[in-house]
Amino acid sequence: QKEVEQNSGPLSVPEGAIASLNCTYSDRGSQSFFWYRQYSGKSPELIMFIYSNGDKEDGRFTAQLNKASQYVSLLIRDSQPSDSATYLCAVTFPPSGNTPLVFGKGTRLSVIA
Amino acid sequence: EAQVTQNPRYLITVTGKKLTVTCSQNMNHEYMSWYRQDPGLGLRQIYYSMNVEVTDKGDVPEGYKVSRKEKRNFPLILESPSPNQTSLYFCASSLTGFLNQPQHFGDGTRLSIL
Repeated sequence: QKEVEQNSGPLSVPEGAIASLNCTYSDRGSQSFFWYRQYSGKSPELIMFIYSNGDKEDGRFTAQLNKASQYVSLLIRDSQPSDSATYLCAVTFPPSGNTPLVFGKGTRLSVIA
Repeated sequence: EAQVTQNPRYLITVTGKKLTVTCSQNMNHEYMSWYRQDPGLGLRQIYYSMNVEVTDKGDVPEGYKVSRKEKRNFPLILESPSPNQTSLYFCASSLTGFLNQPQHFGDGTRLSIL
C-alpha cells in the first residue's frame, strides 16, 4: 500500500518564524521526494526535490530526508504571509519504470502577520 | 514560455454528454499524466503516459480514457460523465518517466457534472 501522510493542519506560525512541515511515507524503497506549494484554486508548484539523505537548502527553504525513518520535512525560514498555502509532499514508489508519484493530502500553512 | 496548457479551464455539463479535456505541453516532455483533486482526498492519478502510444492506468482510471498520438498532447476523455467525476483536474508533464523527474502542472480544469 502506497501511503504518504501529512498533517492536514492548519499550521499557524507568526511572520518571521520557522515553519516546519512533515511527511512520512510507507515504502523504504522510495527514492525521490518532492515538495509542492499550492495556493487555493491554483495548480501545484514545485518548490524542492531531494533524493539523498540529509539536508538540501534553497533560499529560505530546506528539505530534510531521513530514509531510515521514512520521513521528509520542509523548513521555511523567515516565513512570510505569502507563504500561506497548502504544501504537498510527493513520493515515488518502486518499482521503477512506471511513475508512480503519490501525493499526500497536504498541510495547510497560515503565516500570521 | 515553457508551459502545460489545459482547456477548457471551466466546464459545466450534464450526465452522459461526452467531453474531452485537452492538455498540451511545449517542453518536448516524454511523460504526461492526469490527476484529479478532491477535498479530503488530495491529488490522485488517473492515467499516465510514458511516451507516444504508451499509456497506463493510475489509481482512479474508471470512467476515463486517454490517448497519446503525439508527444505534446494528452487528452482526457469522459465518454459518459457522471456527477462523481465533478472535480478539479490537472495535467502534468516531466522530461521522462524516471523516478527523479519533477512534474510541471497545468493550470487546472474545473469540471461540474450535473
